Amino acid sequence: KAGVTQTPRYLIKTRGQQVTLSCSPISGHRSVSWYQQTPGQGLQFLFEYFSETQRNKGNFPGRFSGRQFSNSRSEMNVSTLELGDSALYLCASSPEGLEQYFGPGTRLTVT
Amino acid sequence: GENVEQHPSTLSVQEGDSAVIKCTYSDSASNYFPWYKQELGKRPQLIIDIRSNVGEKKDQRIAVTLNKTAKHFSLHITETQPEDSAVYFCAARYTGRRALTFGSGTRLQVQP
Repeated sequence: KAGVTQTPRYLIKTRGQQVTLSCSPISGHRSVSWYQQTPGQGLQFLFEYFSETQRNKGNFPGRFSGRQFSNSRSEMNVSTLELGDSALYLCASSPEGLEQYFGPGTRLTVT
Repeated sequence: GENVEQHPSTLSVQEGDSAVIKCTYSDSASNYFPWYKQELGKRPQLIIDIRSNVGEKKDQRIAVTLNKTAKHFSLHITETQPEDSAVYFCAARYTGRRALTFGSGTRLQVQP
Protein backbone atom coordinates (compact mmCIF):
# COMPACT_ATOMS: atom_id res chain seq x y z
CA LYS A 1 0.00 0.00 0.00
CA ALA A 2 1.10 3.53 -0.65
CA GLY A 3 2.06 5.46 2.46
CA VAL A 4 0.66 8.68 3.82
CA THR A 5 1.23 11.59 1.48
CA GLN A 6 1.24 15.29 2.25
CA THR A 7 1.25 18.31 -0.03
CA PRO A 8 2.92 20.64 -0.40
CA ARG A 9 6.22 19.51 1.13
CA TYR A 10 7.53 23.04 1.61
CA LEU A 11 5.77 26.34 1.94
CA ILE A 12 6.85 29.91 2.62
CA LYS A 13 4.23 32.41 3.71
CA THR A 14 4.24 35.88 5.22
CA ARG A 15 2.63 36.93 8.48
CA GLY A 16 -1.09 37.51 8.24
CA GLN A 17 -1.62 35.15 5.32
CA GLN A 18 -3.47 31.86 5.53
CA VAL A 19 -2.38 28.41 4.43
CA THR A 20 -4.02 25.08 3.61
CA LEU A 21 -2.17 21.79 3.94
CA SER A 22 -3.36 18.48 2.55
CA CYS A 23 -2.99 14.90 3.71
CA SER A 24 -3.95 11.66 1.97
CA PRO A 25 -4.04 8.70 4.36
CA ILE A 26 -3.13 5.11 3.66
CA SER A 27 -5.87 3.44 1.65
CA GLY A 28 -8.50 2.03 4.00
CA HIS A 29 -7.52 4.20 6.97
CA ARG A 30 -10.35 6.38 8.17
CA SER A 31 -8.62 8.25 10.99
CA VAL A 32 -6.31 11.19 10.31
CA SER A 33 -4.48 13.11 13.03
CA TRP A 34 -2.42 16.26 12.68
CA TYR A 35 0.64 17.21 14.71
CA GLN A 36 2.90 20.23 14.85
CA GLN A 37 6.62 19.59 15.32
CA THR A 38 8.97 22.34 16.45
CA PRO A 39 12.43 22.18 18.05
CA GLY A 40 11.19 23.90 21.18
CA GLN A 41 7.81 22.23 21.74
CA GLY A 42 8.38 18.83 20.17
CA LEU A 43 5.44 16.97 18.68
CA GLN A 44 2.09 18.44 19.68
CA PHE A 45 -1.34 17.16 18.79
CA LEU A 46 -3.57 19.48 16.76
CA PHE A 47 -6.71 17.47 15.94
CA GLU A 48 -8.04 14.12 14.84
CA TYR A 49 -10.72 13.27 12.29
CA PHE A 50 -12.61 10.08 11.76
CA SER A 51 -15.27 9.60 9.09
CA GLU A 52 -15.42 13.36 8.42
CA THR A 53 -15.96 14.21 12.11
CA GLN A 54 -13.49 15.93 14.39
CA ARG A 55 -13.17 13.69 17.43
CA ASN A 56 -10.37 15.34 19.38
CA LYS A 57 -8.74 18.73 19.41
CA GLY A 58 -5.46 19.81 20.95
CA ASN A 59 -4.64 23.00 22.75
CA PHE A 60 -4.22 25.32 19.76
CA PRO A 61 -5.98 28.60 18.97
CA GLY A 62 -9.00 28.79 16.71
CA ARG A 63 -6.80 29.95 13.84
CA PHE A 64 -6.00 26.28 13.35
CA SER A 65 -8.82 24.30 11.77
CA GLY A 66 -9.27 21.21 9.70
CA ARG A 67 -11.66 18.99 7.90
CA GLN A 68 -11.92 15.55 6.42
CA PHE A 69 -13.57 14.53 3.20
CA SER A 70 -15.61 11.45 2.38
CA ASN A 71 -12.55 9.79 0.82
CA SER A 72 -10.69 10.27 4.15
CA ARG A 73 -8.36 12.92 2.74
CA SER A 74 -7.86 15.72 5.22
CA GLU A 75 -6.90 19.36 5.10
CA MET A 76 -5.78 21.71 7.79
CA ASN A 77 -5.95 25.45 7.57
CA VAL A 78 -4.09 28.11 9.50
CA SER A 79 -5.37 31.66 9.22
CA THR A 80 -3.62 34.91 10.12
CA LEU A 81 -0.21 33.27 10.21
CA GLU A 82 2.25 34.23 12.92
CA LEU A 83 6.02 33.72 13.00
CA GLY A 84 5.57 31.10 15.71
CA ASP A 85 3.54 28.95 13.33
CA SER A 86 6.73 28.03 11.49
CA ALA A 87 7.00 24.28 11.97
CA LEU A 88 6.84 20.87 10.42
CA TYR A 89 3.20 19.80 10.15
CA LEU A 90 2.75 16.07 10.20
CA CYS A 91 -0.33 14.06 9.57
CA ALA A 92 -0.76 10.48 10.63
CA SER A 93 -3.28 7.95 9.48
CA SER A 94 -4.65 5.05 11.44
CA PRO A 95 -6.87 2.08 10.78
CA GLU A 96 -9.52 1.17 13.33
CA GLY A 97 -6.75 0.18 15.73
CA LEU A 98 -4.09 2.10 17.59
CA GLU A 99 -1.11 2.38 15.26
CA GLN A 100 -0.47 5.74 13.64
CA TYR A 101 1.64 6.10 10.50
CA PHE A 102 3.10 9.46 9.66
CA GLY A 103 3.40 11.28 6.37
CA PRO A 104 6.58 13.13 5.35
CA GLY A 105 5.26 16.43 6.64
CA THR A 106 4.88 19.93 5.29
CA ARG A 107 7.61 22.37 6.29
CA LEU A 108 5.95 25.77 6.78
CA THR A 109 8.09 28.86 7.11
CA VAL A 110 6.42 32.13 8.07
CA THR A 111 8.40 35.30 7.38
CA GLY B 1 -4.23 15.94 30.82
CA GLU B 2 -1.67 13.38 29.80
CA ASN B 3 2.01 14.21 30.24
CA VAL B 4 4.96 12.11 29.06
CA GLU B 5 8.50 12.68 30.29
CA GLN B 6 11.43 11.18 28.41
CA HIS B 7 15.05 10.69 29.48
CA PRO B 8 17.81 11.15 28.56
CA SER B 9 17.60 13.92 25.99
CA THR B 10 20.86 12.77 24.39
CA LEU B 11 22.59 9.43 24.50
CA SER B 12 25.92 8.44 22.98
CA VAL B 13 27.00 4.79 22.86
CA GLN B 14 29.68 2.77 21.15
CA GLU B 15 28.69 0.47 18.33
CA GLY B 16 27.71 -2.90 19.76
CA ASP B 17 26.67 -1.52 23.15
CA SER B 18 23.09 -1.39 24.40
CA ALA B 19 20.97 1.75 24.67
CA VAL B 20 18.06 2.35 27.03
CA ILE B 21 15.57 5.22 26.85
CA LYS B 22 12.99 5.71 29.59
CA CYS B 23 9.60 7.40 29.63
CA THR B 24 7.13 8.15 32.40
CA TYR B 25 3.45 8.89 31.84
CA SER B 26 1.01 10.62 34.12
CA ASP B 27 -2.40 9.18 33.30
CA SER B 28 -3.00 5.71 34.70
CA ALA B 29 -5.74 5.22 32.09
CA SER B 30 -3.16 5.21 29.28
CA ASN B 31 -3.38 1.98 27.34
CA TYR B 32 -1.05 2.19 24.35
CA PHE B 33 2.65 3.09 24.19
CA PRO B 34 4.40 3.36 20.81
CA TRP B 35 7.99 4.27 20.03
CA TYR B 36 8.99 6.24 16.96
CA LYS B 37 12.36 6.71 15.28
CA GLN B 38 12.96 9.90 13.34
CA GLU B 39 16.03 10.26 11.19
CA LEU B 40 17.14 13.72 10.14
CA GLY B 41 14.74 15.23 7.63
CA LYS B 42 12.45 12.21 7.63
CA ARG B 43 9.08 11.28 9.07
CA PRO B 44 8.68 9.60 12.47
CA GLN B 45 8.59 5.85 11.89
CA LEU B 46 6.79 3.44 14.22
CA ILE B 47 9.37 0.89 15.37
CA ILE B 48 7.61 -0.94 18.20
CA ASP B 49 4.59 -0.55 20.43
CA ILE B 50 3.10 -2.14 23.52
CA ARG B 51 -0.37 -2.31 24.98
CA SER B 52 -1.21 -1.96 28.63
CA ASN B 53 -2.05 -5.65 29.06
CA VAL B 54 1.49 -6.71 28.07
CA GLY B 55 4.66 -6.30 30.13
CA GLU B 56 7.31 -6.77 27.46
CA LYS B 57 7.59 -7.03 23.70
CA LYS B 58 10.61 -7.81 21.53
CA ASP B 59 11.38 -7.41 17.86
CA GLN B 60 14.88 -8.54 16.92
CA ARG B 61 17.30 -6.04 18.52
CA ILE B 62 14.65 -3.80 20.06
CA ALA B 63 12.41 -4.40 23.04
CA VAL B 64 9.98 -2.37 25.09
CA THR B 65 9.06 -2.96 28.72
CA LEU B 66 6.08 -1.53 30.58
CA ASN B 67 5.64 -1.11 34.33
CA LYS B 68 2.04 -0.02 34.89
CA THR B 69 2.42 0.31 38.64
CA ALA B 70 5.26 2.79 38.29
CA LYS B 71 3.76 4.27 35.10
CA HIS B 72 6.93 4.01 33.07
CA PHE B 73 8.06 2.24 29.94
CA SER B 74 11.45 1.82 28.33
CA LEU B 75 13.00 1.14 24.95
CA HIS B 76 15.97 -1.19 24.82
CA ILE B 77 18.21 -1.45 21.77
CA THR B 78 20.88 -4.15 21.83
CA GLU B 79 23.96 -4.50 19.62
CA THR B 80 23.59 -0.92 18.42
CA GLN B 81 24.69 0.00 14.91
CA PRO B 82 25.50 3.39 13.36
CA GLU B 83 22.20 3.28 11.46
CA ASP B 84 20.38 3.30 14.81
CA SER B 85 21.49 6.93 15.19
CA ALA B 86 18.32 9.05 15.19
CA VAL B 87 15.88 10.82 17.49
CA TYR B 88 13.59 8.44 19.34
CA PHE B 89 10.19 9.50 20.66
CA CYS B 90 8.01 7.67 23.11
CA ALA B 91 4.28 8.34 23.24
CA ALA B 92 1.21 7.39 25.22
CA ARG B 93 -2.45 7.26 24.43
CA TYR B 94 -5.07 7.15 27.08
CA THR B 95 -8.34 5.35 26.85
CA GLY B 96 -10.95 7.18 24.84
CA ARG B 97 -8.58 9.25 22.73
CA ARG B 98 -6.72 8.37 19.56
CA ALA B 99 -4.35 11.30 19.93
CA LEU B 100 -0.84 10.51 21.07
CA THR B 101 1.03 12.54 23.68
CA PHE B 102 4.74 12.49 22.86
CA GLY B 103 7.83 12.67 24.98
CA SER B 104 10.41 15.32 24.17
CA GLY B 105 12.69 12.94 22.27
CA THR B 106 16.11 11.33 22.77
CA ARG B 107 18.92 11.93 20.31
CA LEU B 108 20.84 8.66 20.07
CA GLN B 109 24.32 8.73 18.57
CA VAL B 110 26.03 5.41 17.91
CA GLN B 111 29.78 5.87 17.54
CA PRO B 112 31.42 3.44 15.10
